Amino acid sequence: DQQVKQNSPSLSVQEGRISILNCDYTNSMFDYFLWYKKYPAEGPTFLISISSIKDKNEDGRFTVFLNKSAKHLSLHIVPSQPGDSAVYFCAATFSSGSARQLTFGSGTQLTVLP
Amino acid sequence: DVKVTQSSRYLVKRTGEKVFLECVQDMDHENMFWYRQDPGLGLRLIYFSYDVKMKEKGDIPEGYSVSREKKERFSLILESASTNQTSMYLCASRSGVSEAFFGQGTRLTVV
Repeated sequence: DQQVKQNSPSLSVQEGRISILNCDYTNSMFDYFLWYKKYPAEGPTFLISISSIKDKNEDGRFTVFLNKSAKHLSLHIVPSQPGDSAVYFCAATFSSGSARQLTFGSGTQLTVLP
Repeated sequence: DVKVTQSSRYLVKRTGEKVFLECVQDMDHENMFWYRQDPGLGLRLIYFSYDVKMKEKGDIPEGYSVSREKKERFSLILESASTNQTSMYLCASRSGVSEAFFGQGTRLTVV
């Protein structure tokens, strides 16, 4: 039972345009969400996170939006650059209690076309 | 600079061999994790540890065991490697409510 879902395995975007990557979750107890970027043959690197007390968090070209009622989050990249081409994973976790692990989605391959 | 180091980038092992994957972190994090990444399946948690000598099963622990004798080191053991354990293995560490930091990954091929 996948608790974190990324329904789009791939996305292609023109350089300079906006990339929107989507993520849905089923466990309403998740209250902290993260996005990671992964290049082939490398480990994932952290991009941006958001707590459930917020609905938006921005860091440079990257913005994450959280819609708690829909159990949906999205990552916006503006403007997209060829170097952004990678697999993007969303992850969810709990900010309190004993569970410390991150639960990941299946990833979305973003390709930014020059 | 934060660092999680996995002992090997690439490994080729034979079916039935006992395989050790080592991971070391230099951030004094209490939590350490082993994930595997397979196409279309994302990152799946194998085991994690929240303290020395403490461990908990993740979503797919079958065929694996772990060891954490020191805070900075977390080892993943494949007791008897099988071809369906061919995968990218990723170690991570984390402290409290923060991001997890990942190692560079080990691409394991079992033949």
